[in-house]
Amino acid sequence: QKEVEQDPGPLSVPEGAIVSLNCTYSNSAFQYFMWYRQYSRKGPELLMYTYSSGNKEDGRFTAQVDKSSKYISLFIRDSQPSDSATYLCAMSGPRDDKIIFGKGTRLHILP
Amino acid sequence: EAQVTQNPRYLITVTGKKLTVTCSQNMNHEYMSWYRQDPGLGLRQIYYSMNVEVTDKGDVPEGYKVSRKEKRNFPLILESPSPNQTSLYFCASRRSGGEDTQYFGPGTRLTVL
Repeated sequence: QKEVEQDPGPLSVPEGAIVSLNCTYSNSAFQYFMWYRQYSRKGPELLMYTYSSGNKEDGRFTAQVDKSSKYISLFIRDSQPSDSATYLCAMSGPRDDKIIFGKGTRLHILP
Repeated sequence: EAQVTQNPRYLITVTGKKLTVTCSQNMNHEYMSWYRQDPGLGLRQIYYSMNVEVTDKGDVPEGYKVSRKEKRNFPLILESPSPNQTSLYFCASRRSGGEDTQYFGPGTRLTVL
């Protein structure tokens, strides 16, 4: 079993829809959970950073962490064509040094 | 402007010809890292450095070397490149510990013939 599993997509949704992106993981030592967005031909940029379990909201984006199920989610409300990108989940352990990335989900928002 | 720079952005080379990809950050970050990104395999960490003169292997260190002589620079060295090192490479930096943004460079697309 891989440490971090993420459906590669592509995921196509109409503009304005709510998008749900997910990752599962196997290492119970992970404590820091991140979502990155990567546009084509660009480096990843951090969207959300969550420590341990719970929810975090930032504008149209909500990150959820369920450590009991080893499952994290990113919700995008009122999705826009500019949200079309690859979304990578990432996580790290208590020493917060080595970050493990999911393979990324390609998202297309259809106008 | 806070940024991570990489050079070159694109490079085509031949097997066995030593090359260096430079990485520099202007944020006084302790932690720097190199990743490669391949289709279907995602981002994989090659090496990381927690501070000057402190480096450690990531998941895929074979065929690569790094050095951290200054805080701002973290070059990636391929002593004898091979075609399986054809990839998109990213350098990243952040402060050590706690909640903080990891900044990625723009990427270097390397082709080894």
